[in-house]
Amino acid sequence: GAGVSQTPSNKVTEKGKYVELRCDPISGHTALYWYRQSLGQGPEFLIYFQGTGAADDSGLPNDRFFAVRPEGSVSTLKIQRTERGDSAVYLCASRSPRDSYGYTFGSGTRLTVV
Amino acid sequence: GQNIDQPTEMTATEGAIVQINCTYQTSGFNGLFWYQQHAGEAPTFLSYNVLDGLEEKGRFSSFLSRSKGYSYLLLKELQMKDSASYLCAPMDSNYQLIWGAGTKLIIKP
Repeated sequence: GAGVSQTPSNKVTEKGKYVELRCDPISGHTALYWYRQSLGQGPEFLIYFQGTGAADDSGLPNDRFFAVRPEGSVSTLKIQRTERGDSAVYLCASRSPRDSYGYTFGSGTRLTVV
Repeated sequence: GQNIDQPTEMTATEGAIVQINCTYQTSGFNGLFWYQQHAGEAPTFLSYNVLDGLEEKGRFSSFLSRSKGYSYLLLKELQMKDSASYLCAPMDSNYQLIWGAGTKLIIKP
């Protein structure tokens, strides 16, 4: 597609529930990043995919968070047993290895855990 | 460790010029990016510097000094729509962007 698409744009869930957040990157972009951003803060790195594999998952806060990218395009961020502290905007970005102009971000998913 | 330092908030007047400074420390360096982020929206790319010096792009210019670990974003002829957060993000040796908290720029009429 023309840009990075994230769905849903907003998600409200109850504490303890499971959620999945989807990212559809720009076609041909092999690098895909997940960040989360709290109000007044910069993006916080979660995980980076190069193709299908997670090249760096050091930013995942704990084992409740998991992400996959089985075919090297669409990625899903999965959060189990959600907690109120997980409430944030989850941003996805993709980058072409041939492109020096950084990342293109999706519009994000605003997750609210109540 | 890796660290980004930029002012938390700045205020400027419509039509004026403002300079947003950023100092950084990273493990390796593959250039530095500036992003603009309006409230409730995703960051959008503004500029990229990999060599020392000034890059000018319309009303926005970005400067880099690699030896000093320093960059600035210069915004001229400020417009109300420039009210946003500006994020300085150097890229480390793994091609990861390192993000600071950003500078919230408030433009007053």
